[in-house]
Amino acid sequence: EVQLVESGGGLVQPGGSLRLSCAASGFTFSSNWMSWVRQAPGKGLEFVASIKYDGRDKYYVDSVRGRLAISRDNAKSSLYLEINSLRAEDTAVYYCAKYGNGRSFDYWGQGTLVTVSS
Amino acid sequence: DVVMTQTPLSSPVTLGQPASISCRSSQSLVHSDGSTYLSWLQQRPGQPPRLLIYEISNRFSGVPDRFSGSGAGTDFTLKISRVEAEDVGVYYCMQATHFPWTFGQGTDVEIK
Repeated sequence: EVQLVESGGGLVQPGGSLRLSCAASGFTFSSNWMSWVRQAPGKGLEFVASIKYDGRDKYYVDSVRGRLAISRDNAKSSLYLEINSLRAEDTAVYYCAKYGNGRSFDYWGQGTLVTVSS
Repeated sequence: DVVMTQTPLSSPVTLGQPASISCRSSQSLVHSDGSTYLSWLQQRPGQPPRLLIYEISNRFSGVPDRFSGSGAGTDFTLKISRVEAEDVGVYYCMQATHFPWTFGQGTDVEIK
C-alpha cells in the first residue's frame, strides 16, 4: 500500500524558515518523480514544485522560485521542501504527491499545515 | 500559465441523479508527444485530494465506473452517472501539459 506521510509544519513568524518532510513507502521511491502541492485555507490547489526521480532536475512555480527548495533522499525514501523568507501567503496545507500515469498525481499524503503569522 | 476554468462552481444534485462538471483550458492541452495530460481529482471534506481520472478518460485504480471523463483540446467533462452520498466533495481538473501544472478552481458537489 502506497503511503505518504508529511511532517514539519507549524506556526512560523514572517521571514522565518521551515523544512517539510514526506516519508514514502509502498512503492519504489527512487523510480518516481515527486511533487509538493499546497492549498491555502478554504482555497483551491496550487502546484509548488517537482523533482525528478534521481533528484537532478527540479521545477518550481514562479511565485516560489528562489524561496523554496525541493530535495529528496532516495536512501531514506523521503522528500523534502525547504521554505525560506516565509510570508503570510505561504500559509497552507502542503501535500506531498507522487506522479503516476499521464503526469497525474496518483497518491497524496494527508498534508502538513504551515501557518505564517506573528 | 494555462488557466483552467470549471463550471459550475457549485452543483447541488439529487442522490441517484447524474452530475456533470466542465473544465475549459486557456490553450490546447495536447502535448507535442500526442498525449493530453488532463486529470480529475476528488477532495472529500477534510481529506486530501484523490485521483479519479488521468489523460482525459482513464479511470484510476479502484475508482467506480460511475465516474467517466471525456473531451479533447480545450474542453473536458467529468460525469458521475448516478451520484451517491460518498461523492460529496470538491472536484478539480488539472493540466500537466504546460508547465507550471495548474488546477481549476474546483466544483463543489453537494446533495440537494
